[in-house]
Amino acid sequence: KAGVTQTPRYLIKTRGQQVTLSCSPISGHRSVSWYQQTPGQGLQFLFEYFSETQRNKGNFPGRFSGRQFSNSRSEMNVSTLELGDSALYLCASSLGQNNSPLHFGNGTRLTVT
Amino acid sequence: DQQVKQNSPSLSVQEGRISILNCDYTNSMFDYFLWYKKYPAEGPTFLISISSIKDKNEDGRFTVFLNKSAKHLSLHIVPSQPGDSAVYFCAATNTGTASKLTFGTGTRLQVTL
Repeated sequence: KAGVTQTPRYLIKTRGQQVTLSCSPISGHRSVSWYQQTPGQGLQFLFEYFSETQRNKGNFPGRFSGRQFSNSRSEMNVSTLELGDSALYLCASSLGQNNSPLHFGNGTRLTVT
Repeated sequence: DQQVKQNSPSLSVQEGRISILNCDYTNSMFDYFLWYKKYPAEGPTFLISISSIKDKNEDGRFTVFLNKSAKHLSLHIVPSQPGDSAVYFCAATNTGTASKLTFGTGTRLQVTL
């Protein structure tokens, strides 16, 4: 069974630009969550989508948004990039039921210059 | 406010011995706990989980213990193998928002020959 696939693996953007990251979940998984990992803050929850609807949201500004398509694939968008947005962005999928563990992709490394 | 804490940033254990990784939490609403392992340049890999209705869960060489009164959990790896060398993250959530994991800062385990 293929795992969670994230594209691209690496991205370099300039302050003020916007970026879109993509995630394909494990087949059959209906929930997709996004996390940001930085050396200072660790792994932090951004949001979760289930059946094309945002089900949970973390404490990030509105510049961070996402969406999920009918095939459960998800995209995350960050607008007006700031230097502090440089991070590893991880996508995770799950069945979306209570206590079903998250399975993570290998992440997209975003560098903002 | 660090709701999930892993106070040992690193741990070194000899091959064949037991590795014990510790985690403390402060939020009484957490009722589901997970351990993830992370290798460099890869996403976290799910290892084992435990619900608050249990105090122990085993899966092969991995056992997680939960002490609800102390708000403490630990991961035991027996016997430790060189391939276990990685960063281990403890995570916690409430069943109602299961994809919204709160992660600890991680413990780097080094298993030596």
